[in-house]
Amino acid sequence: NAGVMQNPRHLVRRRGQEARLRCSPMKGHSHVYWYRQLPEEGLKFMVYLQKENIIDESGMPKERFSAEFPKEGPSILRIQQVVRGDSAAYFCASSSWTGGSVNTEAFFGQGTRLTVV
Amino acid sequence: GESVGLHLPTLSVQEGDNSIINCAYSNSASDYFIWYKQESGKGPQFIIDIRSNMDKRQGQRVTVLLNKTVKHLSLQIAATQPGDSAVYFCAENNNAGNMLTFGGGTRLMVKP
Repeated sequence: NAGVMQNPRHLVRRRGQEARLRCSPMKGHSHVYWYRQLPEEGLKFMVYLQKENIIDESGMPKERFSAEFPKEGPSILRIQQVVRGDSAAYFCASSSWTGGSVNTEAFFGQGTRLTVV
Repeated sequence: GESVGLHLPTLSVQEGDNSIINCAYSNSASDYFIWYKQESGKGPQFIIDIRSNMDKRQGQRVTVLLNKTVKHLSLQIAATQPGDSAVYFCAENNNAGNMLTFGGGTRLMVKP
């Protein structure tokens, strides 16, 4: 899982600023997932993307949050006008699609810890 | 909605003993399950997976058991070591392939 790269590892933003989190998937992986984790809690699904497409964003708040995975470059999770409640660890995972099944393990990055002050 | 249910208890074991971590899931459509280990400040690390057509799968020092009748998943760690101390999460995939649904995790503490 060391192959999934997230940056920055730590991000501090003031209320009202924008946070931009980056995720580079493992080489050869075309599926990216974003999860959010509050302290002492499990991971909550936010969004699932393939190259240039959002496949499932059912876990992402309708306002202020957006995600993209362009043809070139990393996946970006963008949070506009951050509030204190956005403080959390945000993890990215990537996987590959193997023929007729998408049930394959996902590899996680080390996360970005966002603190809103 | 349906989810993997695992409240966050703490399991404390003596070094060298076996550990058993349990997980209950409620989505009968789930057909793929994974156990992840998460150490402090790090991302989840894949441990072992199992598909719904299996009851048991073994890895190195770890065994996952799946009981579809009661929708129960367990992770057994043999000869637990201090390096096993972490939070363990089970996750399910409901064959839509879109996402893994995680439980709340169990903290494993290994006493030397």
